Amino acid sequence: EDQVTQSPEALRLQEGESSSLNCSYTVSGLRGLFWYRQDPGKGPEFLFTLYSAGEEKEKERLKATLTKKESFLHITAPKPEDSATYLCAVQLFGNEKLTFGTGTRLTIIP
Amino acid sequence: DSGVTQTPKHLITATGQRVTLRCSPRSGDLSVYWYQQSLDQGLQFLIQYYNGEERAKGNILERFSAQQFPDLHSELNLSSLELGDSALYFCASSPLNRGEAFFGQGTRLTVV
Repeated sequence: EDQVTQSPEALRLQEGESSSLNCSYTVSGLRGLFWYRQDPGKGPEFLFTLYSAGEEKEKERLKATLTKKESFLHITAPKPEDSATYLCAVQLFGNEKLTFGTGTRLTIIP
Repeated sequence: DSGVTQTPKHLITATGQRVTLRCSPRSGDLSVYWYQQSLDQGLQFLIQYYNGEERAKGNILERFSAQQFPDLHSELNLSSLELGDSALYFCASSPLNRGEAFFGQGTRLTVV
């Protein structure tokens, strides 16, 4: 069965302390991997799409990378406003739905 | 603002009732997805429409149904509501039937 697993479930960092979030997947025929940010009570906000192993995307303090088995979301020198739940999702060839992991709840302490 | 509009934002209703959630996709987007998010289950895919036709179905209960209209807005109908149906319901849209999807702010349904 296709699976998307995110780790850790929760992460607390001091402001400025860089770290990485992991999304591992066990799927056949990956078309794309997506990262979203979700604030409490709000809809997920699209961040990145990655299509092939070795691909990297950057936006401000965030950088997403992809290998054949997993993706990382690196956060550099985070600020309190980066606190949110970060979700990854996969989309397969021939199956258009996005299958989400359960997310990493990130808290940045000032 | 993603450009996806969902109404109503909040809905409180009694068990056994029926409700309709509405979604207006981003201008030009042909694909609409519906997701359910509850505290213990994360984001669960319900159903997808593309240009008026059903494209994919997830673990959507028989009590739930959806449709996409010619103007591309979509409605999710939930009937015979149970306490366990309380959740956030999200609509998302994308230009094609693949690729990144853009989410609305959700409808919070509370069944009492």
